[in-house]
Amino acid sequence: AQSVTQLGSHVSVSEGALVLLRCNYSSSVPPYLFWYVQYPNQGLQLLLKYTSAATLVKGINGFEAEFKKSETSFHLTKPSAHMSDAAEYFCAVSRNSGNTPLVFGKGTRLSVIA
Amino acid sequence: GAGVSQSPSNKVTEKGKDVELRCDPISGHTALYWYRQSLGQGLEFLIYFQGNSAPDKSGLPSDRFSAERTGGSVSTLTIQRTQQEDSAVYLCASSLAGGVEGYTFGSGTRLTVV
Repeated sequence: AQSVTQLGSHVSVSEGALVLLRCNYSSSVPPYLFWYVQYPNQGLQLLLKYTSAATLVKGINGFEAEFKKSETSFHLTKPSAHMSDAAEYFCAVSRNSGNTPLVFGKGTRLSVIA
Repeated sequence: GAGVSQSPSNKVTEKGKDVELRCDPISGHTALYWYRQSLGQGLEFLIYFQGNSAPDKSGLPSDRFSAERTGGSVSTLTIQRTQQEDSAVYLCASSLAGGVEGYTFGSGTRLTVV
């Protein structure tokens, strides 16, 4: 079975500072990994995905994530935070055979301080 | 349609009443998923449809919960004899078969049981 652990339910950064949101996964088979963002009162929007191609994945809004098999991690980063990045971020894992529902972490709320 | 549509967006119901939540997926998306989002709990998987059949309904919390999908399109999640602990945001998502490209989420239905 797959599972996801997001370290830190709330992360606060200053505008312009590095954003680092941590995600560790557990999977008995090679995984597909995803990051989603949720703005207030909205559904989830796909930021980026890892599907066994390049280990460094670039997504929308300047975010990227690196798949590290040895560390079972898929941390999300952005070099410089903007006020508009304030939202809830979810990491998710699926078996790479597809046809199985995504398993989500509990989310990390990102606050950006001016 | 252009996106995943859920209705109603908000529902307040009295304890013990039945409710129906509707999801209209993206046209051509054969897979459809229901998740429940409670404060601080992340996304909890409920049920998954491939076409009109439900290969995985392992997440339904009790027999008060049921879902169906007709014509490979619209899905309805029904909660009978609602309880206060059913209060949550119910999210629907759809994807192409396998879901490896990621899911598209609707904006959700916020259910409040009073």
